[in-house]
Amino acid sequence: AAGVIQSPRHLIKEKRETATLKCYPIPRHDTVYWYQQGPGQDPQFLISFYEKMQSDKGSIPDRFSAQQFSDYHSELNMSSLELGDSALYFCASSLGQGLQETQYFGPGTRLLVL
Amino acid sequence: TQLLEQSPQFLSIQEGENLTVYCNSSSVFSSLQWYRQEPGEGPVLLVTVVTGGEVKKLKRLTFQFGDARKDSSLHITAAQPGDTGLYLCAGGLPDFNKFYFGSGTKLNVKP
Repeated sequence: AAGVIQSPRHLIKEKRETATLKCYPIPRHDTVYWYQQGPGQDPQFLISFYEKMQSDKGSIPDRFSAQQFSDYHSELNMSSLELGDSALYFCASSLGQGLQETQYFGPGTRLLVL
Repeated sequence: TQLLEQSPQFLSIQEGENLTVYCNSSSVFSSLQWYRQEPGEGPVLLVTVVTGGEVKKLKRLTFQFGDARKDSSLHITAAQPGDTGLYLCAGGLPDFNKFYFGSGTKLNVKP
């Protein structure tokens, strides 16, 4: 079965640079979620989109922005990168945006900011 | 403050032993999911429980959702080294319309 695809899998950036992470949800899934997971921590919710509209916002810094496109893929844009942004970034998708909907996670993008 | 508390945080057992991981909250959840995560990989869904009192079995894994939908447990029978990983519970809180992860239980099964 098709799963959530994330690219790139690994990314190394310098401080103050920008980065773009991409997420391709499971086919027919209309909701995308972004999470940040620091070392030894549980995933922290950043932002979500339903039918190409932002549906919920978590602890996403103002330096980050995201959008969902007409084909339902999503991109997380990160600017003015800081050392503390180094983390695993996960994208998840679900069919529908209700809290009872199960989220399926991608393999993650490991971002290292030097 | 962690809305979903998992216990124990760490568990190291021998192959063949049984174990139970708990996920507790003072809040009522719409549903709870259990995930297993390998280092550097995304969480992989194990099960979703929706109805209070629900019990689901997945081979040697038994999941239970509390009657009041505030807690859940994961029981593993005859643990194997392949069960090693980070187990996360997660769920949606209708009052806050947000999805939260538990603090995680790191399981190590020694051969």
